[in-house]
Amino acid sequence: SQQGEEDPQALSIQEGENATMNCSYKTSINNLQWYRQNSGRGLVHLILIRSNEREKHSGRLRVTLDTSKKSSSLLITASRAADTASYFCATTVGLTFGEGTQLTVNP
Amino acid sequence: NAGVTQTPKFQVLKTGQSMTLQCAQDMNHNSMYWYRQDPGMGLRLIYYSASEGTTDKGEVPNGYNVSRLNKREFSLRLESAAPSQTSVYFCASRGPNQPQHFGDGTRLSIL
Repeated sequence: SQQGEEDPQALSIQEGENATMNCSYKTSINNLQWYRQNSGRGLVHLILIRSNEREKHSGRLRVTLDTSKKSSSLLITASRAADTASYFCATTVGLTFGEGTQLTVNP
Repeated sequence: NAGVTQTPKFQVLKTGQSMTLQCAQDMNHNSMYWYRQDPGMGLRLIYYSASEGTTDKGEVPNGYNVSRLNKREFSLRLESAAPSQTSVYFCASRGPNQPQHFGDGTRLSIL
């Protein structure tokens, strides 16, 4: 079963706008991770949030975690064309990834 | 610091041929993983190795074998390639309670 499922599947915005992606999972977790994948490349880790944390920031990234709803969100503020990529969430339990959100930032 | 290195980057095989995909990491990580990613899809775990000398099946292990040769290297073998195994294969490693580090993938086509 999928441990991380992202929503929406695709998102297209203009440069400078904010992008929000959501992730849902099924079982208890120790932490949740967000990754980015540029076309033709491997996944790159962006941010890890532990189960006892509710919000975490890293530069233009903000991640929230709601363990009661088994969901997380990734917010990218002031988006840039270089943020165009697929974004995946993953949990350590099951070691599985969802299908990702394809983000397109138009210049 | 090279991180996770996968070889080859591209390969074309005929149905029934065998080949081994190589993966090496230089971060002294205990855990290593093999995934496949089909077009427009997320990653599916094939096999993983929690430590040197151990391997375990993931979500889609059929048709594959693995070897954890030493702490650095984790290889994936296709004994008799099938067109359904056409995919991009990613290797990853990680340390305790840390996120995974990924290689750039091997693009495998089976005709």
